Amino acid sequence: EVQLVESGGGLVQPGGSLRLSCAASGFTFSTYWMSWVRQAPGKGLEWVANIKQDGSEKDYVDSVKGRFTISRDNAKKSLYLQINSLRAEDTAVYYCARERGYDHDVDYWGQGTLVTVSS
Amino acid sequence: SYELTQPPSVSVSPGQTATITCSGDALPKRYAYWYQQKSGQAPVQVIYEDKSRPSGIPPRFSGSSSGTMATLTISGAQVEDEADYYCYSTDSSGNYKVFGGGTKLTVL
Repeated sequence: EVQLVESGGGLVQPGGSLRLSCAASGFTFSTYWMSWVRQAPGKGLEWVANIKQDGSEKDYVDSVKGRFTISRDNAKKSLYLQINSLRAEDTAVYYCARERGYDHDVDYWGQGTLVTVSS
Repeated sequence: SYELTQPPSVSVSPGQTATITCSGDALPKRYAYWYQQKSGQAPVQVIYEDKSRPSGIPPRFSGSSSGTMATLTISGAQVEDEADYYCYSTDSSGNYKVFGGGTKLTVL
């Protein structure tokens, strides 16, 4: 059974930083692109970032470029998102997600971790 | 940037057919994908590559695409299908990965 378990969310002040983690199990982690998708309270889904199987390619939504860094450790079957210079508009549930195909669609999602940016 | 447009809400009675649309300029060239998100839960993929159903998704869920519009159809909608539905696709180059704004389906 595919499982994705996020951790690391919490309350942080504007300008602060957090590192989100995602522990994967139930599939061969090193063979899949992985993504982060977020959802602000009461709002829709927003694709945030993704990373190739070996970490050699990464992509980000324009609004987080230069502030967020996606990374992975295939030996630990883990995905990470370093989020810096946090803004109120970054407040959201952050989902770890496994990509299925060529269009980078997601076939499995974690339960999410909540990041709240507030003073 | 790139946008996918969905109606904010759709309402049907149990047993009726629910139709949710998603429009985007690149859809003639790119596949559409559909996700169901029930309140307080993570999304679940219900359709991929316009019309394929993942394992475990009931056959009442179907998808189609024509021109700049993709459509999710729930034939004989049930109360448990009440959820938010999101389409997903990319722009023609594959650079922008976007979700539609979501459609709240009410079945009552």
